[in-house]
Amino acid sequence: QAVVTQPSSLSASPGASASLTCTLRSDINVGPYRIYWYQQKPGSPPQYLLRYKSDSDKQQGSGVPSRFSGSKDASANAGILLISGLQSEDEADYYCMIWHNSASVFGGGTKLTVL
Amino acid sequence: EVQLEESGGRLVQPGGSLRLSCAASGFTFSNYNMNWVRQAPGKGLEWVSYITSGSNIIYYADSVRGRFTISRDNDKNSLYLQMNSLRDEDTAVYYCTRTDYGDKWGQGTLVTVSS
Repeated sequence: QAVVTQPSSLSASPGASASLTCTLRSDINVGPYRIYWYQQKPGSPPQYLLRYKSDSDKQQGSGVPSRFSGSKDASANAGILLISGLQSEDEADYYCMIWHNSASVFGGGTKLTVL
Repeated sequence: EVQLEESGGRLVQPGGSLRLSCAASGFTFSNYNMNWVRQAPGKGLEWVSYITSGSNIIYYADSVRGRFTISRDNDKNSLYLQMNSLRDEDTAVYYCTRTDYGDKWGQGTLVTVSS
């Protein structure tokens, strides 16, 4: 089982909110981990969005709008990227990442469609 | 402005070798840890290797350990990835990224391993 799992796709309407999940393998407790999020549009390198561990340990990427935010769902053992007020330009692939056992591990990515 | 510019990617035969470079500018390179991350065509992100600012700590993904070597020259503001015993599955765009979590990414360089 993969260390980090993301749903392969998600669709949402303009103006709505989208919640993207990053689920850790069941033997890895999400609590102590910083979850990093990236956005990648076709033909471009990924861009760092934000980091979330807790409300007291979080970081917004430089220039990243506040409608992108992070949280955790402990019951689901998952990190969450919430995008509010969806815009067409938010259509992209989104990746989460954690550092685990001296290795950086990316989720498989979620393709967000805004329609 | 922070810039990372990868170079060295090309077509190489299986079993061959290649050295990638990443030229950094716009920041004090010697103060930052760095990574290599790759992305196979149409696939997700895969972390490859990590090096601390002083080269005293180095990590590799299991998929490349023993074949790839990361290094840096702080006097030349450059990061390197020596790739030996290349396989078809190493075909990817290779990105250099800044810090432990990739707050900045280069545009990438394409490595194609094929006979």
